[in-house]
Amino acid sequence: LAKTTQPISMDSYEGQEVNITCSHNNIATNDYITWYQQFPSQGPRFIIQGYKTKVTNEVASLFIPADRKSSTLSLPRVSLSDTAVYYCLVPFMDTGRRALTFGSGTRLQVQP
Amino acid sequence: NAGVTQTPKFQVLKTGQSMTLQCAQDMNHEYMSWYRQDPGMGLRLIHYSVGAGITDQGEVPNGYNVSRSTTEDFPLRLLSAAPSQTSVYFCASSYGGRGETQYFGPGTRLLVL
Repeated sequence: LAKTTQPISMDSYEGQEVNITCSHNNIATNDYITWYQQFPSQGPRFIIQGYKTKVTNEVASLFIPADRKSSTLSLPRVSLSDTAVYYCLVPFMDTGRRALTFGSGTRLQVQP
Repeated sequence: NAGVTQTPKFQVLKTGQSMTLQCAQDMNHEYMSWYRQDPGMGLRLIHYSVGAGITDQGEVPNGYNVSRSTTEDFPLRLLSAAPSQTSVYFCASSYGGRGETQYFGPGTRLLVL
């Protein structure tokens, strides 16, 4: 099944802004782009979701270009507690139905 | 609302044994999925369902069966456990399959000896 493509890992320091980009060439017209955060031994947790342009909530922003073939998760002023794995998820059309497959994720390490 | 519940939380099996991992949601979600996550790896889709009576195979369906007789329940059956199935299993549900927010259960840790 098709996958999204993200950097495997990123390093940052506390207080910096972190941008993680995901490529998703086969997104369908009406599907959402969703980002999740996962800590060790826990299930993924919803961060932010968008359809087009820009979405912002209390923890992150999501930028989506007009062609929707990529998206960028922006975490402002990261802290040590943001150390986690981040996944973008885009539905994939599989035998006529949408399969929600995760990519490999981006492991973010935030240092003091 | 309880959200997505999974039982058991932890299970040890011997090779060749069978078992069923239970998953239930009380949000009236049509879409449900099962994922497995091996240590240090990402989540891989095992099976999914777009509604009661409809199931499909995901990326790694071999060795697993599912059924969806009701909207609420989506059990995952291991037919004949193998050490390669040692993993953490997550169940998730969402309103639909267009990428709407998925709600995940707490996971089931399975060890196959």
